This record gives sequence, C-alpha cells and structure tokens, in this order.
Amino acid sequence: EVQLVETGGGLVQPGRSLKLSCVASGFTFSSYWMYWIRQAPGKGLEWVSSINTDGGSTYYPDSVKGRFTISRDNAENTVYLQMNSLRSEDTATYYCAKMHYGSYGVMDAWGQGASVTVSS
Amino acid sequence: DIVMTQTPSSQAVSAGEKVTMSCKSSQSLLYNENKKNYLAWYQQKPGQSPKLLIYWASTRESGVPDRFIGSGSGTDFTLTISSVQAEDLAVYYCQQYYNFPTFGGGTKLELK
Repeated sequence: EVQLVETGGGLVQPGRSLKLSCVASGFTFSSYWMYWIRQAPGKGLEWVSSINTDGGSTYYPDSVKGRFTISRDNAENTVYLQMNSLRSEDTATYYCAKMHYGSYGVMDAWGQGASVTVSS
Repeated sequence: DIVMTQTPSSQAVSAGEKVTMSCKSSQSLLYNENKKNYLAWYQQKPGQSPKLLIYWASTRESGVPDRFIGSGSGTDFTLTISSVQAEDLAVYYCQQYYNFPTFGGGTKLELK
C-alpha cells in the first residue's frame, strides 16, 4: 500500500523558514516524480513544486520561486520542501503527492497534509 | 499559465440523480502527437486529501466506480456522476497537466 506521511508543519513568523518532509513507502520511490501541492484554508489546490526522479530537475510556480526549494533523498525515500522568507499567504495545508505512472503531472497518491501557519 | 475554470461552484443534489459539472481551460489540452487530453479530475471529501478519479480526460483510476465518467476534449471537459450516492458529496477539482499543473476552483456537491 502506498503511503505518504508529511511532517514538519507548524506556526512560524513571517520572514522565517520551515522545512517539510514527506516519507514514502509502498512503491519504488526513486522511480517517480514527486510533488508538493498546497491548499489555503477554505480554498482550492495550488501546485507548489515538482522534482524529477534523481532530483536533478525541479520546478516552481512564480508564487514561490526563489523562496521554496524541493529536494529528495532516494536512499531515505523522502522528499523535502524548504520554505524560506515565509509570508502570510503561504498559510496552508501542504500535501506531498506521487506521480501516476506514465502520466507526468497526474498525482495518484497524496499524503494527509502538513499544516503551516505563518503569523506573528 | 493555463487557467482552469469550473462551473458551477456548488450544486445541490439528491441521491440517485445524474450530475454533470464543467471544466474549461484557457488553452487546448489536446496534444496532437498522441491525441491525448492532459486533464485529470480529483475528489476531495471534507477533512481528507484529494483522490485521483480520472486522467487523460476519460480514463478512470483503478478502483473508481464506473458511475464516474469523464468526457470532453480540447478546452471543454465534463465530469458526470451517473447516479449520485451519499458518499459522493465532496468537492471535485479538474487539473491540467499539459504544462505545469494548475487546478480549477472546484465544484462542491451538496445534499439537496
């Protein structure tokens, strides 16, 4: 069974940093792209980042580019999201998700989410 | 960026009813080389993570009941639930993966 477990969320002041982790199990982690998607309270879904299988290629929307960094450790079956210079608008539940085999950009398994609140 | 627009934003339904919801993209999601539409649908129940229902616009994910039907091509797509069940009350999101992923605003199914 595929499992994705996010940790590292919490309350952080504006301008500070936070690092999320997502530990994967139940599939060959190193064979799949991974994603971070966020959902602000009561709002819809927003793609935050993607990383390819070996970590050599990463992608971000303009809203987080230059502030967030995705990385992965295939030996530890873990994907990370380093979030710097956090803003109030970054407040959201952050989900990690796994690529659907053969369909780049389709997310076929999601974690339970990590809550991040940016507030003074 | 490709903008995804879903209508309606909410819909009140009764059990057993046929339901349709729309998703429109600001540019075509049809890739001519493989004739595939890069469009997925997800279901999110209250307090839960999203769940993949459909990809390539009309391919059901394994384990998804056949009452969920995806259709459409180019810029206009539809998710149909042929006979709504109580457990289908949720928010439904469309998502394009032709470019970097973007999601629609969602359609919330509520009980009439």
